[in-house]
Amino acid sequence: GAVVSQHPSWVICKSGTSVKIECRSLDFQATTMFWYRQFPKQSLMLMATSNEGSKATYEQGVEKDKFLINHASLTLSTLTVTSAHPEDSSFYICSAPSARGDKGTDTQYFGPGTRLTVL
Amino acid sequence: KQEVTQIPAALSVPEGENLVLNCSFTDSAIYNLQWFRQDPGKGLTSLLLIQSSQREQTSGRLNASLDKSSGRSTLYIAASQPGDSATYLCAVVRGAGSYQLTFGKGTKLSVIP
Repeated sequence: GAVVSQHPSWVICKSGTSVKIECRSLDFQATTMFWYRQFPKQSLMLMATSNEGSKATYEQGVEKDKFLINHASLTLSTLTVTSAHPEDSSFYICSAPSARGDKGTDTQYFGPGTRLTVL
Repeated sequence: KQEVTQIPAALSVPEGENLVLNCSFTDSAIYNLQWFRQDPGKGLTSLLLIQSSQREQTSGRLNASLDKSSGRSTLYIAASQPGDSATYLCAVVRGAGSYQLTFGKGTKLSVIP
């Protein structure tokens, strides 16, 4: 099946610093990728939709200036958490749909996630 | 706004038992429904995808059913094994032309050897 990777798998940073998380589709092209956040014992919450070559679409309540998304190529999307604070500590997961014609039948492939801890 | 609920939140069973996980959603106008498995600190693995026009899907010891009109889906696991221990997540696609998933909080399954 399709593979999506994330880097880093975990990161610890000081409050006020910025952290960049990469999401790559390794064996397929993804014009769209999704970024989710998961707090302990909670469901995955969609943060934003990353669109190759255009601006990301953010869900209500997600600060676009704080969570910068860049979809520079058909295989790479990056999420930068700017001026991170302890409340940003979470598990961040990206996903990309498989390359089939009918969007509704595509299977989503998820990255392994990135654990961010802000001290 | 679509809401997805999974019951129970946690389940512990002895090895070999058959079990059922439940998922309900508030808006029956879904495009499809997926069941995922998540191991601790890991990403998600897709288990089964059911189209809105389908009633069930099977893969090995897993069988997922969908009753769109009542807003319910079940995941049946036969002859459970310790390796099945994980959190199982149910998610629905919002609508035609959308890839976006709305997730439940999951059911944490522990299969005791």
